[in-house]
Amino acid sequence: DAKTTQPNSMESNEEEPVHLPCNHSTISGTDYIHWYRQLPSQGPEYVIHGLTSNVNNRMASLAIAEDRKSSTLILHRATLRDAAVYYCILRPHGSSNTGKLIFGQGTTLQVKP
Amino acid sequence: GAVVSQHPSWVICKSGTSVKIECRSLDFQATTMFWYRQFPKQSLMLMATSNEGSKATYEQGVEKDKFLINHASLTLSTLTVTSAHPEDSSFYICSARALQGQYFGPGTRLTVL
Repeated sequence: DAKTTQPNSMESNEEEPVHLPCNHSTISGTDYIHWYRQLPSQGPEYVIHGLTSNVNNRMASLAIAEDRKSSTLILHRATLRDAAVYYCILRPHGSSNTGKLIFGQGTTLQVKP
Repeated sequence: GAVVSQHPSWVICKSGTSVKIECRSLDFQATTMFWYRQFPKQSLMLMATSNEGSKATYEQGVEKDKFLINHASLTLSTLTVTSAHPEDSSFYICSARALQGQYFGPGTRLTVL
């Protein structure tokens, strides 16, 4: 499974944008980039995913580098409820893929009021 | 999004007893479910992939006779921790694969005394 590298922790001020980086230099052509987040004592929550083009949804935006070797999750306006561990995960697509998600260490985001 | 539930949300048991944790997909059918374990301040570790109607596939290092998985229907998978010991105390999280993505349960906190 292709690996991802994320900073251990980041800080942000409330109501400011947050850019969470992820490096995945060994990504393959069939790997989708998924982002999940986990609040304390809860299961992970889906945030966003993409393949090549940038993606937007109500929670966040995903900016994918042209060579796909890195991506950035963008929270446009951080709130205290966004404080969580954010995981960037590569998931291969194809009939032979079981769909399992392998979690790295993630980035712990702290949001200061 | 799709909803995955777990029961119980927490359980305390004596060493040597067995504990069963249920994972249900509430509004969709899931042919594939996943079981994870998470120790404090660590990331999620995939334990096994559960397929409806067939034997589970365990990750390397996970004892299949200790962590019994049954996926008897398209909406229910169970994980039984047999002869639990204090080192099995952990946060157990299940995940179910839907057409539109993969969704996680809220987790079960197991404490073995």
